[in-house]
Amino acid sequence: QQQVKQSPQSLIVQKGGISIINCAYENTAFDYFPWYQQFPGKGPALLIAIRPDVSEKKEGRFTISFNKSAKQFSLHIMDSQPGDSATYFCAARGTSYGKLTFGQGTILTVHP
Amino acid sequence: DSGVTQTPKHLITATGQRVTLRCSPRSGDLSVYWYQQSLDQGLQFLIQYYNGEERAKGNILERFSAQQFPDLHSELNLSSLELGDSALYFCASSELTGSYNEQFFGPGTRLTVL
Repeated sequence: QQQVKQSPQSLIVQKGGISIINCAYENTAFDYFPWYQQFPGKGPALLIAIRPDVSEKKEGRFTISFNKSAKQFSLHIMDSQPGDSATYFCAARGTSYGKLTFGQGTILTVHP
Repeated sequence: DSGVTQTPKHLITATGQRVTLRCSPRSGDLSVYWYQQSLDQGLQFLIQYYNGEERAKGNILERFSAQQFPDLHSELNLSSLELGDSALYFCASSELTGSYNEQFFGPGTRLTVL
């Protein structure tokens, strides 16, 4: 049962553009929503995370928007750079001892 | 560098064999998580240990088992290997259990079953 759905599967953006990745969840017990960035041959690394009592969180060029009523959240990457080219995973974590449920991932390619 | 180490980096073996993957968590982290990453299933949670005790189980096959030792390192044992077990296996660690502790991922072990 896939509890976190992520779209799109792949995304191509020009340098300087805005990259937007969307996720939707089903389990209302989730209460922590991180985004991970993964480069080829590396493990996922935490990029930014949000709790459901906040509608938006910004860290540098990265922003999470969270809509609790719609059970959706999204990652916005402003001024996208070629170095941002990676696979991005949204995830959700509930109170069940911290295990993460991941979306399927989005392969982002930023063209120079 | 997350501070989580995994060995070996690559492992090639045959069907029916048994392998052991090793993970050393970040210094001070008590929780260890194992995840499997494959093209068709994505990143899937397998099992979690906290200070030597099993805390949560995910989609882990009965052929797979894990343990966390007194020095907090963990091992994932995969037996009677099948072609479909070929995947990247990640270990992650966090300070404590519970929802809000950030999980730091290791570089992974790439398992190829021939």
